[in-house]
Amino acid sequence: DSGVTQTPKHLITATGQRVTLRCSPRSGDLSVYWYQQSLDQGLQFLIQYYNGEERAKGNILERFSAQQFPDLHSELNLSSLELGDSALYFCASSESGTGIPYEQYFGPGTRLTVT
Amino acid sequence: DQQVKQNSPSLSVQEGRISILNCDYTNSMFDYFLWYKKYPAEGPTFLISISSIKDKNEDGRFTVFLNKSAKHLSLHIVPSQPGDSAVYFCAANPIYNQGGKLIFGQGTELSVKP
Repeated sequence: DSGVTQTPKHLITATGQRVTLRCSPRSGDLSVYWYQQSLDQGLQFLIQYYNGEERAKGNILERFSAQQFPDLHSELNLSSLELGDSALYFCASSESGTGIPYEQYFGPGTRLTVT
Repeated sequence: DQQVKQNSPSLSVQEGRISILNCDYTNSMFDYFLWYKKYPAEGPTFLISISSIKDKNEDGRFTVFLNKSAKHLSLHIVPSQPGDSAVYFCAANPIYNQGGKLIFGQGTELSVKP
């Protein structure tokens, strides 16, 4: 158990809909990272927040947005969903924002299925 | 553009033998390489890393080798155990990285047979 929690574990929704994925980092961790893993793909970095501020951005679609709240939990919002958005979405956390890389701890992921 | 590639989607090894997982990268601007291990229904967990200034790092049964001229790294597991069966991802940390984001390969599924 990494200490990072993600809810829900599974989500099935229809095209065009909007969903919110939630992540609670490990106690004391200030950084939260979101990754997407599509079928047969590696993890693609989406976005990072550090202590409430956006720190780094990857290949995140404009239909997707994220935020980190004062209690440090984070939410990833996916809107106007398409079939291709079906994937595993992982959240990771680390103590600092400057990322000694191995300090990232991953949650179990949320499996999103868009039908 | 896939900057980190794992060209073997799967590998099957007998228990007790050596497992060698390979990873290639295209960008010289990486300063750290990492291997993560992932079991089904769990997130990836950090396994071992290597700095770009080294060519080998060892931790118990796990050794990572880095060949910078070939832009290639490999993970050796000796001896392999059935509990090592998982998906292994290599990842790279860009030198310019201020946020800790990692670039992952596609993963290799290792199956260790008793």
